[in-house]
Amino acid sequence: EAQVTQNPRYLITVTGKKLTVTCSQNMNHEYMSWYRQDPGLGLRQIYYSMNVEVTDKGDVPEGYKVSRKEKRNFPLILESPSPNQTSLYFCASSLVTGQAQYFGPGTRLTVL
Amino acid sequence: AQKVTQAQTEISVVEKEDVTLDCVYETRDTTYYLFWYKQPPSGELVFLIRRNSFDEQNEISGRYSWNFQKSTSSFNFTITASQVVDSAVYFCALASGGSYIPTFGRGTSLIVHP
Repeated sequence: EAQVTQNPRYLITVTGKKLTVTCSQNMNHEYMSWYRQDPGLGLRQIYYSMNVEVTDKGDVPEGYKVSRKEKRNFPLILESPSPNQTSLYFCASSLVTGQAQYFGPGTRLTVL
Repeated sequence: AQKVTQAQTEISVVEKEDVTLDCVYETRDTTYYLFWYKQPPSGELVFLIRRNSFDEQNEISGRYSWNFQKSTSSFNFTITASQVVDSAVYFCALASGGSYIPTFGRGTSLIVHP
């Protein structure tokens, strides 16, 4: 089954404790991206990757890191999480840019 | 720069009413792509439709229809005879600028009452 998986689905953590949210797709898609969704603000892009070893900042990259060492995986790293990073996070992928995106189920992160 | 405006934050209708969700976009490019996605209460994001800028034909899929008008930079979404299962947040998105990295609107929450 074609899908984008994210783990964990829910996470409660404390300020400053490094965490990684994993994202994996099984569709051989070149383009992957991370979004955060906050009430009233819609979906805002954090980082995106157009292919392996190619990543770029989106609209709200501060406080986040990503890597794309393999085509299928695109982890989101919060080196020192802060409460303003409490949000719902989505990973997405598409064959290339400009195509429809497939979204993961979301990760609800709470930073205390 | 590209921008998507969904001016309707929330729409409330009664079942069987028709409802139109507005999407206005801004781009300087002649080649671009427009999308609609649905996010039901369960939270997942589901792709609905993709149109390219050279295809202004309206599209109908069951009770759903999309009206793409370049003259007004709009890509509106109409649900005919709405049902409770249509209750969701709907996002419009635009991909342009050569790299075609998408930008999303803030979404419209549709509530369909029985």
